[in-house]
Amino acid sequence: EVQLVESGGGVIQPGGSLRLSCASSGFSVSDASMTWVRQAPGKGLEWVSVIYNTGGTNYADSVKGRSSISRDNSKNTVYLQMDNLRADDTAVYYCARDKRWLTIWGQGTLVTVSS
Amino acid sequence: DIQMTQSPSSLSASVGDRVTITCRASQTMNRYLNWYQQKPGEPPKLLIYSTSALHIGVPSRFSGSGSGTDFTLTISSLQPEDSATYYCQQGYSTPYTFGQGTKLEIK
Repeated sequence: EVQLVESGGGVIQPGGSLRLSCASSGFSVSDASMTWVRQAPGKGLEWVSVIYNTGGTNYADSVKGRSSISRDNSKNTVYLQMDNLRADDTAVYYCARDKRWLTIWGQGTLVTVSS
Repeated sequence: DIQMTQSPSSLSASVGDRVTITCRASQTMNRYLNWYQQKPGEPPKLLIYSTSALHIGVPSRFSGSGSGTDFTLTISSLQPEDSATYYCQQGYSTPYTFGQGTKLEIK
C-alpha cells in the first residue's frame, strides 16, 4: 500500500528551526517528485516546496531562503528543514507525491510557532 | 506567480442537484488544472487532474472541463458525502498555486 507519514511537528519559538520528515512506503521517493503543502488553521492550501525525481528543488517565495527540501533514498524519506520560523508559518504541513498534481497525501503534521 | 480565483467561496445545494464550481487563472496555463476535495480533519484528495482526467476511484458524477484561463468542476448529482471544501490548483508553473477554496454544504 502506498502511504506517506509526516512527523517532526510541534511547538517552536519564533526564530527557531524544525525539520519535518515524510516517510514513504509502497514506492521509492527517488523515483518520484515529492511536494510539501501547508494549511494554516482555518485557511486554504498553500504550496510550499517540491523536490523533483531529478533532485532539483523549488520553493514558494514565503519560505525561500529559510527552507530546504531534501531526501534520503536509503530511508525512503523526504525532509523539509525550516529555519527562522515565524508566527505565520503555523500550519499543518502535508507531504504529497508528485508535482503537477498531487496523487497521494499524508495525514499532516502540525507546526505551531509561538512564544 | 499564477493567481487562482475560485467562485463561489461557498454554496449550499440539495441532494441530487447539479453543482458547478469555477476556477479562473491569472494567465493561460495549458490544461494543468487540478481539483481536490477536503473534508474537515482530513488531507485533501485528488479528484481531477489535467482539467478533465478522473483520478482512480473517484465517482463518475465528478467531471472537469475548461481551457485557457477558465475551468469548472461539476458534480452531476450531489450526494451527502460530497459536503466538503473544494480547491483548484494549477500545475503549469511553480509555485503550483491553489485557489482559495469553495465550501460546499448540503441543504
